[in-house]
Amino acid sequence: DIQMTQSPSSLSASVGDRVTITCRASQSISSFLNWYQQKPGKAPKVLIYAASRLHSGVPSRFSGSGSGTDFTLTISSLQPEDFATYYCQQSYSAPHTFGGGTKVEIK
Amino acid sequence: QLQLQESGSGLVKPSQTLSLTCGVSGGSVTSGDYSWGWIRQPPGKGLEWIGYIYHSGSTYYNPALKSRVSISVDRSNNQFSLKLISVTAADTAVYYCARGQPPANPGGLLGVWFDPWGQGTLVTVSS
Repeated sequence: DIQMTQSPSSLSASVGDRVTITCRASQSISSFLNWYQQKPGKAPKVLIYAASRLHSGVPSRFSGSGSGTDFTLTISSLQPEDFATYYCQQSYSAPHTFGGGTKVEIK
Repeated sequence: QLQLQESGSGLVKPSQTLSLTCGVSGGSVTSGDYSWGWIRQPPGKGLEWIGYIYHSGSTYYNPALKSRVSISVDRSNNQFSLKLISVTAADTAVYYCARGQPPANPGGLLGVWFDPWGQGTLVTVSS
């Protein structure tokens, strides 16, 4: 199985901050990397697919980059509704493993 | 707008079978090159990919669960189902169904991402 490692596992930030979350794959996954946002008690929602493609309706302050083994999710200016847990997922080979998550909390 | 809704037993005894159904509305399980998947999340933990099915019947399972899991599609009722046999407490989780977007390799898994998701249903394994 491909292991997905996210860092940090949690972070505290203020509204307006630029936030970067990193996801590393244990082997190359090309650009087959997706990012999801999950709020407490809710199902995850896709933000980014294919490493850098913004899903329809997702605010442009979210962006994704990377290829191979190293990827980042960036929130350019953190908004109150962005406080949540973020997961990366590889869809290169089965099983399509998820990272352990990054919880973004209010400072 | 496509919507998915999980249903099934919320409490299962150890060694018995977990059975869940995902009803699909606003679209058809037979349309396009979409897959239909299951993901679970133990309380307070991360997400685990369980597997997918295509309306053709082709299935892909997580090897960690493969000997215990089956996913099927019911075209007449526009729904798909998950069965997990011989459950233990480690199978306690919120179970989500979701639609997998068309893959880069038709009928395969490459590049599939989930959207939309059902709201999830908690299944507790306990005697």
